[in-house]
Amino acid sequence: GENVEQHPSTLSVQEGDSAVIKCTYSDSASNYFPWYKQELGKRPQLIIDIRSNVGEKKDQRIAVTLNKTAKHFSLHITETQPEDSAVYFCAASRSNFGNEKLTFGTGTRLTIIP
Amino acid sequence: NAGVTQTPKFQVLKTGQSMTLQCAQDMNHEYMSWYRQDPGMGLRLIHYSVGAGITDQGEVPNGYNVSRSTTEDFPLRLLSAAPSQTSVYFCASREENEQFFGPGTRLTVL
Repeated sequence: GENVEQHPSTLSVQEGDSAVIKCTYSDSASNYFPWYKQELGKRPQLIIDIRSNVGEKKDQRIAVTLNKTAKHFSLHITETQPEDSAVYFCAASRSNFGNEKLTFGTGTRLTIIP
Repeated sequence: NAGVTQTPKFQVLKTGQSMTLQCAQDMNHEYMSWYRQDPGMGLRLIHYSVGAGITDQGEVPNGYNVSRSTTEDFPLRLLSAAPSQTSVYFCASREENEQFFGPGTRLTVL
């Protein structure tokens, strides 16, 4: 089955700086890669996703890059703000049509230092 | 539109007791799943269902049963609770791009 590794497990950055979280996956058939944000005591929520037919996707301060050859993808947050403090999870799936399992990474606790 | 709902929010069990965690969604999603979340281990898939009457095991199915008699409901049953099942449990439903999580159930087994 799929195995997703996520690094680092914890990350602290100064407010205004950038944060990068990296994930690698094992199943070459995976083609859908979402990122979830989980604030303290809350449920995970989708913040951005990318499919294997594109190499990069941006949404305001958040971007995701994908390297299918190397089987890794990354989340980039620019101009970090205190509300970015949360746990971030990457995931991988063979399909974005909702009928394939999502395998999650172990999470990165991001702390933004004011 | 309530999304994905779970009950109870909190539960304390004694070792050996059984209970059912309830999950319901009103988005008519075919795919539903149960995860457990433990510190440092992310979200691990317990069981999932691709539609009414169809269920399958995930990564950590031992000690848990599921059924899917309707599209809306996907209960998770703990047969004989063990301290190792102390965790936060999330139910989720998914269609195309996004997986929606319920608010979670915090379970403690003494």
